[in-house]
Amino acid sequence: DQQVKQNSPSLSVQEGRISILNCDYTNSMFDYFLWYKKYPAEGPTFLISISSIKDKNEDGRFTVFLNKSAKHLSLHIVPSQPGDSAVYFCAASDSGGSNYKLTFGKGTLLTVNP
Amino acid sequence: AAGVIQSPRHLIKEKRETATLKCYPIPRHDTVYWYQQGPGQDPQFLISFYEKMQSDKGSIPDRFSAQQFSDYHSELNMSSLELGDSALYFCATKGVSYNEQFFGPGTRLTVL
Repeated sequence: DQQVKQNSPSLSVQEGRISILNCDYTNSMFDYFLWYKKYPAEGPTFLISISSIKDKNEDGRFTVFLNKSAKHLSLHIVPSQPGDSAVYFCAASDSGGSNYKLTFGKGTLLTVNP
Repeated sequence: AAGVIQSPRHLIKEKRETATLKCYPIPRHDTVYWYQQGPGQDPQFLISFYEKMQSDKGSIPDRFSAQQFSDYHSELNMSSLELGDSALYFCATKGVSYNEQFFGPGTRLTVL
């Protein structure tokens, strides 16, 4: 079963507008969430993370929101730039007992059009 | 800044052969994770090491083994390779003060 779900395989956005990528999880033991960006033939690049004790974390153009009751998080990119075009993976970990191993969603391909 | 180094970047093997993938962590990172990403799939956790000891194990076949050495680099050994082992293999490392894992560029293994 997929414990981390990214239900949108792709998203297309105009340059300058907001990109919103969504992620849902089912395992209530997850308490740390991360977003990675991946270009073809490269490893995932860490973008931003959030602990379950927070509901928002912001870093420049990137903001992650966490709704624990809904087991939902989202990544907002504003303004979107063509260089943001990549696959975005949502990942989750249980810091309590699993040594932070990551469980990934299947990714969302973001295309930012000039 | 120094990043995670993986070698080789590409590897082609025949069925039933063996392969060794290497991972060199970011300096002062003491935890290493291995992930496998099949075509069109999300990365799947295989195994991790902390301070040279295995710390967790995921969906790693018995044909695979791994270890972390005194200099903290890690090697993933794969034997009796099967066609289904063709994938991208990522190594990620984490420092003691961080919760984030930083990934290497990956090794693309092709089994013919």
